[in-house]
This record gives sequence, structure tokens and C-alpha cells, in this order.
Amino acid sequence: GAVVSQHPSRVICKSGTSVKIECRSLDFQATTMFWYRQFPKKSLMLMATSNEGSKATYEQGVEKDKFLINHASLTLSTLTVTSAHPEDSSFYICSAQIRGITEAFFGQGTRLTVV
Amino acid sequence: QKEVEQNSGPLSVPEGAIASLNCTYSDRVSQSFFWYRQYSGKSPELIMSIYSNGDKEDGRFTAQLNKASQYVSLLIRDSQPSDSATYLCAVGFSGGYQKVTFGTGTKLQVIP
Repeated sequence: GAVVSQHPSRVICKSGTSVKIECRSLDFQATTMFWYRQFPKKSLMLMATSNEGSKATYEQGVEKDKFLINHASLTLSTLTVTSAHPEDSSFYICSAQIRGITEAFFGQGTRLTVV
Repeated sequence: QKEVEQNSGPLSVPEGAIASLNCTYSDRVSQSFFWYRQYSGKSPELIMSIYSNGDKEDGRFTAQLNKASQYVSLLIRDSQPSDSATYLCAVGFSGGYQKVTFGTGTKLQVIP
């Protein structure tokens, strides 16, 4: 299967700072990337969908000014958590899709802890 | 009403037995169906995809789809302790891209 690399795998930051998470498709061009968050023992919650070269589409209840998504190229999407708070601590996962292919390929996930 | 529903479990089966995981979905126009396995602290990995009614087999895994009844299941034969994980059912809806909705997952425990 296609490889999606997510970095960093773990990050601890201070409350009020911003954190950037990268998601790269290594061996394919991802026309669409998805960002999820997952709380312990809960399912994946879709935060937003990003298509290369256009603005991200955010799910209801997700603050677009807090969770900035940039899909600058067909192989890279970034999620920036701005002014992080302890309640933003979670497991963030990206996935990528190739146009015309339904399966989504997941990155390794990023464990964010805000202290 | 949840779009994709799964029994949260845990589902406990002895090693070597068949584990049966079920999933129902609400949108009749759903076209793509997936089973993902997620180990604790890890991201999901795709196990099976199925698009048409009937059974699809891959090694010890068999996915079953019944669009009329709006359910999809996953059978794991000869269950191994390494199969212990949370299994996520996902349903894809059509659009310019395939937006996938996940169920809450069923935790499977295979007892040695």
C-alpha cells in the first residue's frame, strides 16, 4: 500500500504556543488529505478535508482559525494547532487519498500533549 | 442517529476460534466499505475493502456485505492473540472525493 508519513510522532508543548504537524505522501500524489483527532478509547473524528491548492473544508464544530490546514502540494499537508490549550491534547491522524481510488492511507499519528 | 454503528465490545474469543464483527450503516447510497484494525496508540491500518454484495476473502479475513440490510461484517478465522485490537468499520460516500465515516470500533480480545 501507499505510504503516508506523519511528523512528529509525539510533541509536548506549552499552553499558548502553536504546533505544526506534517503529513506527507511518500510514493504517490495525494489529491485529498483528511485530518482526524482521536480521544482515548473513542473513534476517529474527522476534523477537516483538504484538497491541494484550495481551502480546507472543516467539519461542524471545528474551529478553522484554531486548526490551520495547508495543503501546499500534492504530497504535503500541514495542520497547525494555534494557541494550544490542554484540552487540545489528543491523537491527531492524517490520511491521504489518490484521485479515483477510494482507500485512504493513514499516517502514523501524532500524540500532542499540551502542558 | 449514528451513520455507522458497531458494538463497542469487548468481544472475547479463544485462540483458534472465529471472531465475528458486525457493522450497520444508515445511508443507503453508501458505496464503499472498509475494515481497519487499530492497535492501542497506533493509527488505523486497512485490512479489507468491499464494494459489492457478497463475501470477499483475504487470508484469514472475510468481509461480508449486504446492502439491502445495510450491514457489513468481518470474520477472522483461526483468531490469534496478535489479532487483539480495535476494529473500525468505515463507510464511504460518493462525492468529488471519498469522504469516509468511521464507526466507534469494536475491541477484540483473543484469549490464548
